[in-house]
Amino acid sequence: EVQLVESGGGLVKPGGSLRLSCAASGFTFSAYSMNWVRQAPGKGLEWVSSISRDSNYIYYADSLKGRFTFSRDNAKNSLYLQMNSLRAEDTAVYFCARGSDAFDVWGQGTMVTVSS
Amino acid sequence: QSALTQPPSASGSPGQSVTISCTGSSSDVGGYNYVSWYQQHPGKAPKLMIYEVTKRPSGVPDRFSGSKSGNTASLTVSGLQAEDEADYYCSSYGGRNNLVFGGGTKLTVL
Repeated sequence: EVQLVESGGGLVKPGGSLRLSCAASGFTFSAYSMNWVRQAPGKGLEWVSSISRDSNYIYYADSLKGRFTFSRDNAKNSLYLQMNSLRAEDTAVYFCARGSDAFDVWGQGTMVTVSS
Repeated sequence: QSALTQPPSASGSPGQSVTISCTGSSSDVGGYNYVSWYQQHPGKAPKLMIYEVTKRPSGVPDRFSGSKSGNTASLTVSGLQAEDEADYYCSSYGGRNNLVFGGGTKLTVL
């Protein structure tokens, strides 16, 4: 079964850091570009970042201003999102998703809450 | 990059057709044939319904169709069914290696 499973979410204070992970299974992970998409409570979807199959190309939403770092380990079929200098507005469910311009496989999401 | 514009709500009775619009600009929707549509039920992950403007992934009913004219893309759901009630989001490649989503449309089946 094709599957993505996120982990690492939780409660963090403003200014803190958190590292999200996404474990992939059921498909040839190294053959796909991957992404993070977030959804604030009661709000719409927001693209966060994408990474190419070989990690040579990594792109971020302008709004992140260099605070997030996206990486992957093809040997471990895993994605990572290092989030630093977290703000209240980063509070959201974070989804990992497979694809380049369209996302055909999504994880169930992991909740990140930034609050004092 | 600004979000694409979708109507906040849409509705129709079972069996009817409903169309949801997604308006962008020549820098995103109008400039590329990389418009996608996603269905999201409450508390669930989004599901890809349409990609590259008109293409349906395997398993998506042919009641769902996509189109584009200029800077506006559209999703049409024909033969509405109760299970189609959900939030729908469009997305488009936005140039400069980013992707932009619409604000979402809540579809109600009356």
